[in-house]
Amino acid sequence: QVDLTQSPSASASLGASVKLTCTLSSGHSAYTIAWHQLHPEKGPRYLMKLNSDGSHSRGDGIPDRFSGSSSGAERYLTISSLQSEDEADYYCQTWGTGFRVFGGGTKLTVL
Amino acid sequence: QVQLVESGGGLVKPGGSLRLSCAASGITFSDYFMNWIRQAPGKGLEWVSYISSSGSGSTIYYADSVKGRFTISRDNAKNLLYLQMNSLRAEDTAVYYCAREVAEALGDWGQGTLVTVSS
Repeated sequence: QVDLTQSPSASASLGASVKLTCTLSSGHSAYTIAWHQLHPEKGPRYLMKLNSDGSHSRGDGIPDRFSGSSSGAERYLTISSLQSEDEADYYCQTWGTGFRVFGGGTKLTVL
Repeated sequence: QVQLVESGGGLVKPGGSLRLSCAASGITFSDYFMNWIRQAPGKGLEWVSYISSSGSGSTIYYADSVKGRFTISRDNAKNLLYLQMNSLRAEDTAVYYCAREVAEALGDWGQGTLVTVSS
């Protein structure tokens, strides 16, 4: 079964950009993933669906400060013009018949 | 506007049972795969179960951690998703979220309901 690996933490300054990484396990580099934000006060929110070719589609109301890209087994979430409200946990997630799986999450701190 | 509202959480003793509900509005509920996901205190998100849309025959799958103890179901006439949880353990303590799949991704989430398993 496919596994997703994320760094536990990341940080960046207010107004800057940050790139979060999600790595698919060996043999699963073609998988499409989704990125989700888990905000401590607002709860979970779907951000986007990201394909292996880097094409992505954002969820309703998600600003274009959030973008996705891909390279091999790596899937990226880039957040530009960081705002304090972006401080949250970010999870990648994928799926197949009979399973859904999440990465371990990355806690983003906005300095 | 899509709205998913979970209910039914609470404090239960180990070995006990609880049924969670998720009320959906703003969608044609029967058309969508629905999921339960949980987050234990200090831990990440963990997928629990999904049930396919009625058009796909309501296929059901569970995570190994809950298989044989939890049962997912849906009532399309009432726009309700359920999670019957039996033989509860301390490690089932978590916030439980329901989520709707849109084009295979978990596109809409509820706000969650807290389940605490403790004596």
